[in-house]
Parts: sequence; C-alpha cells; structure tokens
Amino acid sequence: DQQVKQNSPSLSVQEGRISILNCDYTNSMFDYFLWYKKYPAEGPTFLISISSIKDKNEDGRFTVFLNKSAKHLSLHIVPSQPGDSAVYFCAASEVFGNEKLTFGTGTRLTIIP
Amino acid sequence: GAGVSQSPSNKVTEKGKDVELRCDPISGHTALYWYRQRLGQGLEFLIYFQGNSAPDKSGLPSDRFSAERTGESVSTLTIQRTQQEDSAVYLCASSLRTQGEDGYTFGSGTRLTVV
Repeated sequence: DQQVKQNSPSLSVQEGRISILNCDYTNSMFDYFLWYKKYPAEGPTFLISISSIKDKNEDGRFTVFLNKSAKHLSLHIVPSQPGDSAVYFCAASEVFGNEKLTFGTGTRLTIIP
Repeated sequence: GAGVSQSPSNKVTEKGKDVELRCDPISGHTALYWYRQRLGQGLEFLIYFQGNSAPDKSGLPSDRFSAERTGESVSTLTIQRTQQEDSAVYLCASSLRTQGEDGYTFGSGTRLTVV
C-alpha cells in the first residue's frame, strides 16, 4: 500500500522555465512533509519541508505547496537550472521532525538546456 | 566526520550468505536511520535508533534482518541468509533530534547485490 505517491516517474523542463513536481498521500495522519533530491550514486539530500499548519514554504528558487484537503503537495522550482536535474522524492511523517519517513517512488527531473 | 559514511559502497554476495553493512553517522547526531531502496521503488524505512531508547524496528522485513548501534555512534545492519530480493541500495541517515525542520543527512549507501 503506497501511502505516498508520485505518479510521474519522469519530467522534462526547459532551462529557465518552472518545474512542478507533484505528490499525493493517503494517510490523513501525516503531519510533516519533505522533499529530497538525489543524484546518481549519492544519498538523497534534504531540499525543503512544510508542516501541516502551513500551506506554503519558500526557500530561494524552491517553493512547496500543501493542500491538506486534497492530500496533495507540490514542489515548484523556478527558474529551473541544469543542476536541478536529479530524482526528487516526496516524503511524509506522522510527527513533526524526522522520525520514520514514508517516501514516494521519485520523479526524475531533466532540465533541457 | 563531515558526513554520514557507509561501508562498503558495493557488496556482491552469494545467496544464503550473511552480510554486514556499516554506518558512521555525523558526530553528535543522536538519531540514526536505515532505509533501503529496491530497483524502481521508493525508500523503505527499516529501523530507527534514538539515543538510548529502544530502537523502532517496525520496518525490518523479516527476522533475517537485524541492526545494532553502539551508543550514539556506529551502526551495523546485518542480513542473514541473504535472498535475491534483498538486493537493494541500503541507505543510512542521521539527524540531530531537535533539528526537526532540516531533514536527515543521508550517506551514499551500500549497493547490495545477491547472486
């Protein structure tokens, strides 16, 4: 039972345009959400997070939006850069913090120069 | 060290053999996690250590899997009588207990191939 779903396995975006990565979840107990970025042969690196008390969190070019009623979150990257090409994982936790994250299957983002 | 260190980076083993994977977390990080990623799948939680508390083993897939942690430092994940379905990248991560908003720091993983 996949509690965190990333339905797009891949996404290609032109450099300079906006990249939008989507994530849906089914567990209404999830209270904290994170995005991780992963390059080949490396571990995932933390990108940005949001708690359920917010609907938006922004950090530079990265913005995460949370729609609790729809159980949906998205990551916006603008403008997209070639270095953003990576696999992006959405993750969720039932408690604030880092305990036992449930990850999605990832979306491979390719930025086209 | 500066980051989370895992060894070996790659391991090929024969079905039925035991393997031991090692993780050195970031110094001072009280929480340590093991995840695995099988081909085409997301990261799957295995086990979580927090200080001197009893570990959360709820993600271990079978009793062939076990993990230990020495104090707040090194952890080893042991898989006994390996099976082909154990083939995956095993990722270790650590975090400061109070660093709630900043996520884990992952190591580069151990790629385990069972042949």
